[in-house]
Amino acid sequence: GAVVSQHPSWVICKSGTSVKIECRSLDFQATTMFWYRQFPKQSLMLMATSNEGSKATYEQGVEKDKFLINHASLTLSTLTVTSAHPEDSSFYICSAFGLAGGNEQFFGPGTRLTVL
Amino acid sequence: KQEVTQIPAALSVPEGENLVLNCSFTDSAIYNLQWFRQDPGKGLTSLLLIQSSQREQTSGRLNASLDKSSGRSTLYIAASQPGDSATYLCAVKGGANNLFFGTGTRLTVIP
Repeated sequence: GAVVSQHPSWVICKSGTSVKIECRSLDFQATTMFWYRQFPKQSLMLMATSNEGSKATYEQGVEKDKFLINHASLTLSTLTVTSAHPEDSSFYICSAFGLAGGNEQFFGPGTRLTVL
Repeated sequence: KQEVTQIPAALSVPEGENLVLNCSFTDSAIYNLQWFRQDPGKGLTSLLLIQSSQREQTSGRLNASLDKSSGRSTLYIAASQPGDSATYLCAVKGGANNLFFGTGTRLTVIP
């Protein structure tokens, strides 16, 4: 299957700082990328959907000004957690969907964010 | 809105036993259903993908079935091994290409 990478794999930051997480599709062009959040022992919750070159669509309850998503190219999407707080500590996972990948989404390995 | 439920939430079985994990969804208008495995602190590993037109898919000791009309899927694991211990998630794909995830089943295979 196709490969999706995330960077960094984990990050620890102080409260009030901003953190950027990158999601890359390594061997295919991702027309759509999804960002999910997973709290401990819970399932994945979709945060937002981004299409290359257009604004992201956020799920209800997700603050677009806090979670900035940029999908500037067909292989890269970024999620920036602005003014992070301890309650933002979570596991963030991206997935990518491309026309060449059939009907399947391919998932990145996730980024563990800890806000002190 | 699509809701996906997995039963049981946790399961412990002795090594070698066959087992079935269940997934149900409320809206039968799906494009596909996917089963994933997640190890603690790790990302998702795709196990099986069943298109809406298919009834089942098999990979090694794993077999997944799909009954779209009744909103159900099962994941059958044959001859379980300790290495199968993980959380298993099912997810259904809706019209907007996003996936709706189930609550997961935590499987422990006891040596």
